[in-house]
Amino acid sequence: DIQMTQSPSSLSASVGDRVTITCRASQTIYKYLNWYQQKPGKAPKLLIYDASSLQSGVPSRFSGSGSGTDFTLTISSLQPEDFATYYCQQTYSRITFGQGTRLEVK
Amino acid sequence: QVQLVQSGAEVKKPGASVKVSCKASADTFTNYYMHWVRQTPGHGLEWMGIINPSGGSTNYAQKFQDRVTMTRDTSTTTLYMELSSLRSEDTAVYYCARDARGIVGATLLVLVGSCFDAWGQGTLVTVSS
Repeated sequence: DIQMTQSPSSLSASVGDRVTITCRASQTIYKYLNWYQQKPGKAPKLLIYDASSLQSGVPSRFSGSGSGTDFTLTISSLQPEDFATYYCQQTYSRITFGQGTRLEVK
Repeated sequence: QVQLVQSGAEVKKPGASVKVSCKASADTFTNYYMHWVRQTPGHGLEWMGIINPSGGSTNYAQKFQDRVTMTRDTSTTTLYMELSSLRSEDTAVYYCARDARGIVGATLLVLVGSCFDAWGQGTLVTVSS
């Protein structure tokens, strides 16, 4: 299986900050990388698909980039509702998820 | 708004089986593949498999191949995931999730480009003696 490694595992930030989360695949996955947001007690929510496409209804402060093995999720100006855990997911070879990045209030 | 409504929490003993349900709308049932995913403290999010609700065909993750069965009831547009030979490590929240690709032009044998655009609320399964 393709291993997905996210960094950092946790991150402290303040409202208004620009935040970047990284996801690295153990082999090339081309553009087949998705990002999800999960809040406590809730199901994950799709933010970005195919590395850089914004899911309908998701605020434009979220963006994704990358291809091959290295990908990033960027939140341009952190809002109070963005404090959550973020997961990457590859769908090039079967389906695997990263271990998550917990975004906390500084 | 897409609604996927799952069954309630379960407590099972080791060695038993559990069957979790996920009720979908007729549109979702007819036009989209559906996945099952579980979330554990130890292994995070794990993909378990995919089902075509219309035809019933399935594609399971190798890890669960011997223990999982995904079925559906077309009369009630409900999906089911049954996991057998439960052990403590199966304690998890189980989710159904919709594949945004849609059935037309896609196959559940090729997962490339899948993404999950709607999720059930989750079902906690606790395995304990």
